[in-house]
Amino acid sequence: AQSVTQLDSQVPVFEEAPVELRCNYSSSVSVYLFWYVQYPNQGLQLLLKYLSGSTLVKGINGFEAEFNKSQTSFHLRKPSVHISDTAEYFCASFAGGGADGLTFGKGTHLIIQP
Amino acid sequence: DTGVSQDPRHKITKRGQNVTFRCDPISEHNRLYWYRQTLGQGPEFLTYFQNEAQLEKSRLLSDRFSAERPKGSFSTLEIQRTEQGDSAMYLCASSPTGTGGETQYFGPGTRLLVL
Repeated sequence: AQSVTQLDSQVPVFEEAPVELRCNYSSSVSVYLFWYVQYPNQGLQLLLKYLSGSTLVKGINGFEAEFNKSQTSFHLRKPSVHISDTAEYFCASFAGGGADGLTFGKGTHLIIQP
Repeated sequence: DTGVSQDPRHKITKRGQNVTFRCDPISEHNRLYWYRQTLGQGPEFLTYFQNEAQLEKSRLLSDRFSAERPKGSFSTLEIQRTEQGDSAMYLCASSPTGTGGETQYFGPGTRLLVL
């Protein structure tokens, strides 16, 4: 069974400051890892994904994440946030075969303060 | 750009009524997933189709829920005898042919409110 834990339900940060959103996963098998963003009343948009290879993955809108197998983490980072980054961010895992779909964390609400 | 579309975007119904939602995946994506998202939570997997075959159903999918994907194109999700606990956002996602289903593209969702 898989599980994804997002350690912070809400992260306030000032505009142009760096941010890190934390994600830990648990799985008995190898998994793929993802970060999605959800704006109010919208579906989910893929920010980035880790399938294999380099542990540092870059995504859209200046976000990046680092896969750390020993710490079972996949934290999301951005060096300088903008007001438009205000949204809900979800970390997700996917086990090979895909029969159970994506397993999501509960989400982190990123609040950008001017 | 024809992404995943869902219809309707919003639905308000009274307890006990039946509702049906439609999802149109990206053209030629053979995998289609349904998820449910309640307030303050991440999406939870409901069911999965590969082409027209429904290959997996979550225990969240009670007997009142049924999903179809005739001809392997669009999909419908029906909820019979709705309950207030069914109020949620219902999300559909599709995944390209030739992948393992890991990369999923989501639609805008259908928000259901059961009064």
